[in-house]
Amino acid sequence: AQSVTQLGSHVSVSEGALVLLRCNYSSSVPPYLFWYVQYPNQGLQLLLKYTSAATLVKGINGFEAEFKKSETSFHLTKPSAHMSDAAEYFCAVSEEGGSEKLVFGKGTKLTVNP
Amino acid sequence: DAGVTQSPTHLIKTRGQQVTLRCSPKSGHDTVSWYQQALGQGPQFIFQYYEEEERQRGNFPDRFSGHQYPNYSSELNVNALLLGDSALYLCASSFYLGRIAKNIQYFGAGTRLSVL
Repeated sequence: AQSVTQLGSHVSVSEGALVLLRCNYSSSVPPYLFWYVQYPNQGLQLLLKYTSAATLVKGINGFEAEFKKSETSFHLTKPSAHMSDAAEYFCAVSEEGGSEKLVFGKGTKLTVNP
Repeated sequence: DAGVTQSPTHLIKTRGQQVTLRCSPKSGHDTVSWYQQALGQGPQFIFQYYEEEERQRGNFPDRFSGHQYPNYSSELNVNALLLGDSALYLCASSFYLGRIAKNIQYFGAGTRLSVL
């Protein structure tokens, strides 16, 4: 069965600092991996996706993630945090193509301090 | 182009009642998935509808049922509501391309259900 573990339910950074949100997955087949962001009282917005092409994936708003098969990780990074990045971030795994069910982690709430 | 729309945005029910939530998929999409997001948790997959049939189902009891209409819109029905059913219910739509699919799911803003 697939599963996702997000290390750190809360992460706090200063504006301009590096953002690193950790995600480890478990899957019996090559996975498709996603990062979604959720702003307060809103649905989920896709940040980026990994679908077995390049291992370094660039997304929206300056975020990127690197797929490391040996570490079963898909950590999300952004070189310089902005106040508008404050939100909850979810890592998700799917076995096929993204149209199959998504299995989400519990989420990491990012706080950006001025 | 309208995205995924859900109605209502908020709903308050009492234990034992039944509720119906509605979802209109993004234009061009034919597949609808439903997720339950409890407070402080990630979304959990309930089921997915394609061609008016339930295609996949998560670990939810039969009290949770759904329907998809010919225009691809969908409903989620929950019977005999429990306090633990209080959550944000998210609808996601996608375009099914079969085994080579690399599409993504687009989410609506959700319906927040409170069971008292």
